[in-house]
Amino acid sequence: GAVVSQHPSRVICKSGTSVKIECRSLDFQATTMFWYRQFPKQSLMLMATSNEGSKATYEQGVEKDKFLINHASLTLSTLTVTSAHPEDSSFYICSSLAGGVDEQFFGPGTRLTVL
Amino acid sequence: KQEVTQIPAALSVPEGENLVLNCSFTDSAIYNLQWFRQDPGKGLTSLLLIQSSQREQTSGRLNASLDKSSGRSTLYIAASQPGDSATYLCAVTTGAAGNKLTFGGGTRVLVKP
Repeated sequence: GAVVSQHPSRVICKSGTSVKIECRSLDFQATTMFWYRQFPKQSLMLMATSNEGSKATYEQGVEKDKFLINHASLTLSTLTVTSAHPEDSSFYICSSLAGGVDEQFFGPGTRLTVL
Repeated sequence: KQEVTQIPAALSVPEGENLVLNCSFTDSAIYNLQWFRQDPGKGLTSLLLIQSSQREQTSGRLNASLDKSSGRSTLYIAASQPGDSATYLCAVTTGAAGNKLTFGGGTRVLVKP
């Protein structure tokens, strides 16, 4: 299957700082990328859908000004958690979808801990 | 709004037993259904993808069935091994290709040696 990477894999930051997470599709061009959040012992919840070159579509209840998503190229999408607070601590996972392919390929996830 | 439910939430079996994991969804207009495995603190590994026109998919010891009209899928894992211990997630794409995945809550599996 296709390979999707995320960086960093783990980040610890102080409350009030901003954190950027990168999601890259390494061997294919991703027309669409998805960002999910997973709290401990819970399932994945979709945060937003991003298409290359256009604004992201956010799910209900997700603050677009707090979770900034940029999908500037067909291989890279970034999620920036602005002014992070302890309640933003979670596991963030991205997935990529290539045009003409039905399967989503997931990154390894980023563990964010806000102190 | 699509809702996906997985039962049971947790399952513990002795090594060698077959595993049966259930997934149900409320909107039968799905495009496809995927089964994933997630190890603690890790990302998702795709196990099987079933298109809406298919009834089942097989890979090694894994077999997944799909009954779209009744909104159900079942993942069978034959002759379970301790290495099969993980959380198994089912997710559906509703409507069309490229739409978002809706995940179930997962089934945590423990295979005891």
